[in-house]
Amino acid sequence: AQSVTQPDIHITVSEGASLELRCNYSYGATPYLFWYVQSPGQGLQLLLKYFSGDTLVQGIKGFEAEFKRSQSSFNLRKPSVHWSDAAEYFCAVASWSNSNSGYALNFGKGTSLLVTP
Amino acid sequence: GAVVSQHPSWVICKSGTSVKIECRSLDFQATTMFWYRQFPKQSLMLMATSNEGSKATYEQGVEKDKFLINHASLTLSTLTVTSAHPEDSSFYICSARVLGSTGALVPSGEQFFGPGTRLTVL
Repeated sequence: AQSVTQPDIHITVSEGASLELRCNYSYGATPYLFWYVQSPGQGLQLLLKYFSGDTLVQGIKGFEAEFKRSQSSFNLRKPSVHWSDAAEYFCAVASWSNSNSGYALNFGKGTSLLVTP
Repeated sequence: GAVVSQHPSWVICKSGTSVKIECRSLDFQATTMFWYRQFPKQSLMLMATSNEGSKATYEQGVEKDKFLINHASLTLSTLTVTSAHPEDSSFYICSARVLGSTGALVPSGEQFFGPGTRLTVL
């Protein structure tokens, strides 16, 4: 069964430092992968997505992610973190659902990012 | 584009009452909408898939008589929590799946999310 693992529950970085959030997936076919960000009390905003092609994907707000099939990973990175980046980050994989006759999203448990001055 | 709204954003109700949450796609048509539930500090759990004009498909363990879903139009889906109890208190989020330009499902399964509804049952 497909699944997504985010090994880090909490991460703390200093403002201006680089960031990497880990995501590992388990999926038999070529995955469709996403990173979402959720601010407190808010819905999810799509940061970036990978479907195929170039394995380094650029997203909004200066984020990027690299798909590595050999490692079953899709880690999110940002070279310099801003205080406004403090939020919950979710990795997700879209997989076909026969019951839904379409693709459904499976989310990881999320990583909470704290940015210190 | 691809904006999804939810109403209300926050609701407090007494135990035993029913609460209706609306999910609207504002600038596109959504044949499929999803309802998620999120507990504090946890991930989103898919509750059900709502298809316009047909019955919703519920995930295992979700009581369909408890969580009534109606998708009456291409821009509106509603979730009604019937006879709510304190354990139903949660953050409910809807999303809508976008059709591709050809009308076919975007194979990526990309969804656009609403801002969520915080339900507190006293």
